[in-house]
Amino acid sequence: QVQLVGSGGGVVQPGGSLRLSCAASGFTYSKYGMHWVRQAPGKGLEWVAFIRYDGSTKDYADSVKGRFTISRDNSKNTLYLQMNSLRADDTAVYYCAKPLPSNDAFDIWGQGTMVTVPS
Amino acid sequence: EIVLTQSPGTLSLSPGERATLSCRASQTVSNNYLAWYQQKPGQAPRLLIFGPSYRATGIPDRFSGSGSGTDFTLTISRLEPEDFAVYYCQQYGNSPYTFGQGTQLEI
Repeated sequence: QVQLVGSGGGVVQPGGSLRLSCAASGFTYSKYGMHWVRQAPGKGLEWVAFIRYDGSTKDYADSVKGRFTISRDNSKNTLYLQMNSLRADDTAVYYCAKPLPSNDAFDIWGQGTMVTVPS
Repeated sequence: EIVLTQSPGTLSLSPGERATLSCRASQTVSNNYLAWYQQKPGQAPRLLIFGPSYRATGIPDRFSGSGSGTDFTLTISRLEPEDFAVYYCQQYGNSPYTFGQGTQLEI
């Protein structure tokens, strides 16, 4: 079945780095743009980043621009989020998400991976 | 950036009742690219409605979406016990893709 499995979360000190991964299966990963969305504890959803199906275009929320980098390896069906210069307000569950074939509503979500940056 | 404002913040209803959730955008949502998601505690969001009136695969027909431009509505015709959750709207017509702050639907 169509599935996204996120990994790589953990506790990191302020100013540190972490790389999240999202393994895709059950669909032709190389044909889809992909997104990262995060949710701080007890808060709402925040879109973080997008990468085009071929990696040629990337887009970021202002809150992470210059610190986070989205990338993908289509040979491994895997999406990445490199997070540098982490701050306490980056603490959140990070979800990878796949859009519908016809538009960018997110029909498949990973289970989420928790990133904690102590204040 | 398009700001989405959902109302009410909390909606208290009983099973069998009708729920009406609102999402208002600070500017026109391009192509009416507006989606609704349901989220239960400890779970990832689930896509309910997109575009703004198409049900996602497997979503019961008691869920319906409507609206255009800046004003959108999610209606649940007859609440089932499993419908009590948090609901988010999202616009995906313009970057950055933004979400509303959520409506808590409680018994």
